[in-house]
Amino acid sequence: QKEVEQDPGPLSVPEGAIVSLNCTYSNSAFQYFMWYRQYSRKGPELLMYTYSSGNKEDGRFTAQVDKSSKYISLFIRDSQPSDSATYLCAMSPTGTASKLTFGTGTRLQVTL
Amino acid sequence: GAVVSQHPSWVICKSGTSVKIECRSLDFQATTMFWYRQFPKQSLMLMATSNEGSKATYEQGVEKDKFLINHASLTLSTLTVTSAHPEDSSFYICSARGQVRDNYGYTFGSGTRLTVV
Repeated sequence: QKEVEQDPGPLSVPEGAIVSLNCTYSNSAFQYFMWYRQYSRKGPELLMYTYSSGNKEDGRFTAQVDKSSKYISLFIRDSQPSDSATYLCAMSPTGTASKLTFGTGTRLQVTL
Repeated sequence: GAVVSQHPSWVICKSGTSVKIECRSLDFQATTMFWYRQFPKQSLMLMATSNEGSKATYEQGVEKDKFLINHASLTLSTLTVTSAHPEDSSFYICSARGQVRDNYGYTFGSGTRLTVV
């Protein structure tokens, strides 16, 4: 079993839809959770960062962490074609002091 | 904000030759840099962690003699793929660790697509 599981998709939604992306993990030591967006042939860029359980909102993006279920989510409201990319979840036990463990990524396509 | 420059963005080389990839932190000092490899439609796999002035720490299964990492300064780390073979063709990405206020400490380069023919 992989430490981090993520549905690879692809996920195709119409413009304006609400998108839900999810990851599950098995290592209970993970406390720092991140979501990255990666465009084709580019490096990942940080979208959201959360520590421990709870919700965090930034514009159209909302990140949720449920440590009891070992489950994290990223919601994208009012999705735009420019949101079309691969979304990677990542996590670590001790923040910047340790390496990140990534999910496999979910490819999202937002159509007009 | 923190910026990491990675060069080249793409390279094609002949089998048996060596290729060097550079990763530079442009506006901050990075005591630690991470090198990842990504196959198509797959996640980032950490290859090694390099700390300035010391030997890199390689992940299990990564050949240290094949993937040479040098981190001679606080702003530059290099990955050299030696005696490259077609199976080494992949997307290589570096990440530099800086201040938490910038990308919470992890800033990625734009990646290098290596094709070995």
